[in-house]
Amino acid sequence: GEDVEQSLFLSVREGDSSVINCTYTDSSSTYLYWYKQEPGAGLQLLTYIFSNMDMKQDQRLTVLLNKKDKHLSLRIADTQTGDSAIYFCAETSKPGNTGKLIFGQGTTLQVKP
Amino acid sequence: DVKVTQSSRYLVKRTGEKVFLECVQDMDHENMFWYRQDPGLGLRLIYFSYDVKMKEKGDIPEGYSVSREKKERFSLILESASTNQTSMYLCASSLPGRMNTEAFFGQGTRLTVV
Repeated sequence: GEDVEQSLFLSVREGDSSVINCTYTDSSSTYLYWYKQEPGAGLQLLTYIFSNMDMKQDQRLTVLLNKKDKHLSLRIADTQTGDSAIYFCAETSKPGNTGKLIFGQGTTLQVKP
Repeated sequence: DVKVTQSSRYLVKRTGEKVFLECVQDMDHENMFWYRQDPGLGLRLIYFSYDVKMKEKGDIPEGYSVSREKKERFSLILESASTNQTSMYLCASSLPGRMNTEAFFGQGTRLTVV
C-alpha cells in the first residue's frame, strides 16, 4: 500500500533555513502536501505541489519534488520561533480516486532563539 | 470561515465502554476522515467516507466502526474501548478526487481509556 516516511525531529537556530524531507512509495501520487500542526491544534495546510511540478515557491516556503526518487522537501527560509510545530507530508494517490489522504509520521521542528 | 467541529476536546472512558466521537463539517464536503495521532506514528487513517452511507477502511480499522447518515456528520464508534485506543483522534473533511483536495481538520479529541 501507500507509505509516506519522514524523519521525526529537526532543530535549527532562528534565522537559519530549515529543510524537512519526505519520501513516498506511490508513483501515481497526484498531489503532495505539507501540513503544519501547532501545539494543541488540528492540522492546517501550508502548501501543496502537483506531481507534474518540480518546485513551488510561496514566500518563505519552497517545495521541491523529485519524482524519480519519490522525494519531497520543504524549505523554510529565515526560520522563526513561530515556525516551531510538527510538519506532516501527505499525498493523495491515483488520479480519479476519491481523495484519500495518507500522512507521514510528522517532523517536529524546534527553533532555538 | 470553514469549520470542522469535533464534539469533545477531552474524553475519559472506562475499558469496555462503547464510545462515540462525533464530527460535523459545514462546507458541504463529500469526503470525511477519521485519523488517530500517536507520537512517532503520525496520522494513521482509521476510516474514510466519500459519500453518505459510503465508507472505506483505512490502515487501522480494527476495533472501530463509523456511521455517515448525513453528509455533514461522520461518527467514529469504539465498540468496546480498550486502553490501547487511548490517543488523539482527528476528524477531517475535503472535496473529492481529481482536484486539489485540501483537507480541513477539527481540533482533535484526546481520548483516555482507563
